[in-house]
Parts: sequence; structure tokens; C-alpha cells
Amino acid sequence: GQNIDQPTEMTATEGAIVQINCTYQTSGFNGLFWYQQHAGEAPTFLSYNVLDGLEEKGRFSSFLSRSKGYSYLLLKELQMKDSASYLCAVRRPDYKLSFGAGTTVTVRA
Amino acid sequence: GAVVSQHPSRVICKSGTSVKIECRSLDFQATTMFWYRQFPKQSLMLMATSNEGSKATYEQGVEKDKFLINHASLTLSTLTVTSAHPEDSSFYICSAKGLAGGSQETQYFGPGTRLLVL
Repeated sequence: GQNIDQPTEMTATEGAIVQINCTYQTSGFNGLFWYQQHAGEAPTFLSYNVLDGLEEKGRFSSFLSRSKGYSYLLLKELQMKDSASYLCAVRRPDYKLSFGAGTTVTVRA
Repeated sequence: GAVVSQHPSRVICKSGTSVKIECRSLDFQATTMFWYRQFPKQSLMLMATSNEGSKATYEQGVEKDKFLINHASLTLSTLTVTSAHPEDSSFYICSAKGLAGGSQETQYFGPGTRLLVL
């Protein structure tokens, strides 16, 4: 089965840093994705990790530890437009994605 | 690059009618397309996987006779919700996986179709 856990909600101030954690227990692992989803819209790709370590892409970074079944998404220099839901998704060996329930991030001025 | 479109973006229909949703990969060939459903404040749930030229594979609990999928070409997949009922009202999202930008690693999502069945 697939069990992917992430916090439901987080709030942070504009300009700050927020870290969204994701833990997973899945039958098979073939990579971990982070997506951003604004209300009423489809998810947009943020990052992909398949090996342990940190992947940095501008203001967003993602970390993976396969032995711990753990990932985090780090958002730096938060902007108001970063208010959205962030989805952690584990890709199975058959290339299908299993999604967590999403973390709603609210950025306050 | 890596653009996926869906049509229509929004549809309202009467109970008992059928609705067809199209998913197109605009600038790459999608070897595989996925159909998801998302209820309010819930995450995406995979419904089925569609490979060009072959039958779709459905996730457990998804009725294949109710949700008909056709992947006729490398750039088009369609989902038909047959005899729709109010409980089928949801946000339907497709994604495509293929050689977009030289990478087969990522699924690219369409903008979604919001279905409301009255």
C-alpha cells in the first residue's frame, strides 16, 4: 500500500522560509515529486528527487532521504504568490504517482 | 514546452447524460496519459492509466464501464463519463508522460476540467 503524510496547513510571513515535510511508506519507490497547486487549478511541477540529497532550484529546494522515507520542500524568500497547496507525490516502479493530501501554505504580509 | 491542454475547462450537465473530456499534449508525444479525480480539499486520486493504442488500466474501485478512456494517438486521450450522476461531480485532471524536453521523468498536468452534474 501507499502511505504518504504531510502537514495539513502551514502559515508563514512574506520573506520568510518554510519547510514542508513529507514522510512515505510505499510498496516500491521510483522517485519523489513536489507539485504546487493553486485553488481550482492543476498541479505544476516543482521538483524531482530520485537520489538522496538536496536539489536546489531558485527559491525552492527539495531534499530526499530514501533510507528514512523522508523528503522536504524548502521555500525561501516567501512571496504572497507562494500561497498554495503543495503536494508530495511518490512514483511507483510502474511510473504511477501516489499523492499525499497536500499542505496548504498561507503567506501573510 | 511540455504543455498539456484539457477541454472543456468546465461543464455542467444533467444527471444521466454522458460527458467527454479531452486531454492533449501540445508540444510532445505522450506515451502514457493518466486520469485523476480530485474532490474538494482532497488530493489527487489516480483513476486510470492510458497507453496509446492499448486498453486503459483502471485503479481498484474505478468502474471501467462508467469511465471510458480512449488514447487514440500520441497526443490525445479522452475520458467519457457515462450516465453521469451528481456524485461524479469533481475536478478531473489529466497528465501526460513522454519525451518532453528530453526527459521522461515528469508527468505534466493539464489545467483540469470541473464537472458539475445536476
